[in-house]
Amino acid sequence: EIVMTQSPATLSVSPGERATLSCRASQSVSSNLAWYQQKPGQAPRLLIYGASTRATGIPARFSGSGSGTEFTLTISSLQSEDFAVYYCQQYNNWPITFGQGTRLEIK
Amino acid sequence: EVQLVESGGGLVKPGGSLRLSCAASGFTFSSYSMNWVRQAPGKGLEWVSSISSSSSYIYYADSVKGRFTISRDNAKNSLYLQMNSLRAEDTAVYYCARPTGKASSPFDLWGRGTLVTVSS
Repeated sequence: EIVMTQSPATLSVSPGERATLSCRASQSVSSNLAWYQQKPGQAPRLLIYGASTRATGIPARFSGSGSGTEFTLTISSLQSEDFAVYYCQQYNNWPITFGQGTRLEIK
Repeated sequence: EVQLVESGGGLVKPGGSLRLSCAASGFTFSSYSMNWVRQAPGKGLEWVSSISSSSSYIYYADSVKGRFTISRDNAKNSLYLQMNSLRAEDTAVYYCARPTGKASSPFDLWGRGTLVTVSS
């Protein structure tokens, strides 16, 4: 099983600033990496797939990068609605696995 | 409207059984593989099971293998999860989720989830 490790567990950032979230895979997942956003009481929402492709309707301030074992989600200028929990997911191998999440909170 | 709606959750005693359903609408259900993903209270996401469009391929997480059974009825646009020998650690919100393409691909459509509580 591929273990996905996200860092940091919690990130405190002020609105308008940049946020950088990291995800590391225990072995290569190529570019088969997705990012999700989840707000309290809601289902996750797909943000990025293929490591760097934005899903339909996702604002351009969200960007993803990386391949192999190291990945990054960047939110260029944080809006109030961006404060949430973010998960990475690998879908290169079965079982599909998620990271433990990064909570992005208002500083 | 394209949507997934889960049902069937509730309170069950350890060792008991429960069957979850997921009703799909607004898209060609029979063309997609489907998944169950769960989230324990205050915890992260855990993939549970996947079934291909024609039920030819089925995968389970080790944590549920031998206890849970995924199935689908394409004529009814429905996905199911039969859960037996339930344990306290199975307590979670269970989501059905549709991948963007092939079975092993990210999930672009999620239901709102149904809560399963395993407690005596």
